[in-house]
Amino acid sequence: KQEVTQIPAALSVPEGENLVLNCSFTDSAIYNLQWFRQDPGKGLTSLLLIQSSQREQTSGRLNASLDKSSGRSTLYIAASQPGDSATYLCAAPPSYNAGNMLTFGGGTRLMVKP
Amino acid sequence: NAGVMQNPRHLVRRRGQEARLRCSPMKGHSHVYWYRQLPEEGLKFMVYLQKENIIDESGMPKERFSAEFPKEGPSILRIQQVVRGDSAAYFCASSPSQGVGDTEAFFGQGTRLTVV
Repeated sequence: KQEVTQIPAALSVPEGENLVLNCSFTDSAIYNLQWFRQDPGKGLTSLLLIQSSQREQTSGRLNASLDKSSGRSTLYIAASQPGDSATYLCAAPPSYNAGNMLTFGGGTRLMVKP
Repeated sequence: NAGVMQNPRHLVRRRGQEARLRCSPMKGHSHVYWYRQLPEEGLKFMVYLQKENIIDESGMPKERFSAEFPKEGPSILRIQQVVRGDSAAYFCASSPSQGVGDTEAFFGQGTRLTVV
């Protein structure tokens, strides 16, 4: 059974810093991993999807990496802005045939201070 | 192309009443997933449906909860005889029919259920 953990649970940084959010998973036979953003009281916005055959994906100031052998994924945010303040979630399906029956990490609550 | 639509956004029910939560997937999506987010807890998978079929309901409580995705119309998550512990945000996600394991899940804005 896939288990997903995110550390730290909360992070506060000054505007402009580059930062890294961590995600660990227990089943290395991961098929893909998704990173989401959740704003308070809102739904989830998909940020990046990394397939198991990929090592990283980039979108704007975001870069996500995937290392199956170590069971880790990182989300790198460059030049952070106050608008990046949100909870960031990583999630993975248990197997290929599980579609989007995702197991979520507990999230990292990010605060970027002006 | 509208995103995943959930309604209502907020729902208040008294203990013992029934709650019906609706989810219309994105156009062209025939796979629907329901998740629950309890206060101060993470998102937990509840049920996975395709049109007219429940594929996996391993995350759904055995009693009082049911889900359907009819041939026509939205997917419905139904909670009978609600209790205070059912108060949570319920999210629906959808994905296309092809390449199930390869595609992103798109989430709705959620329904926030409050049981008083």
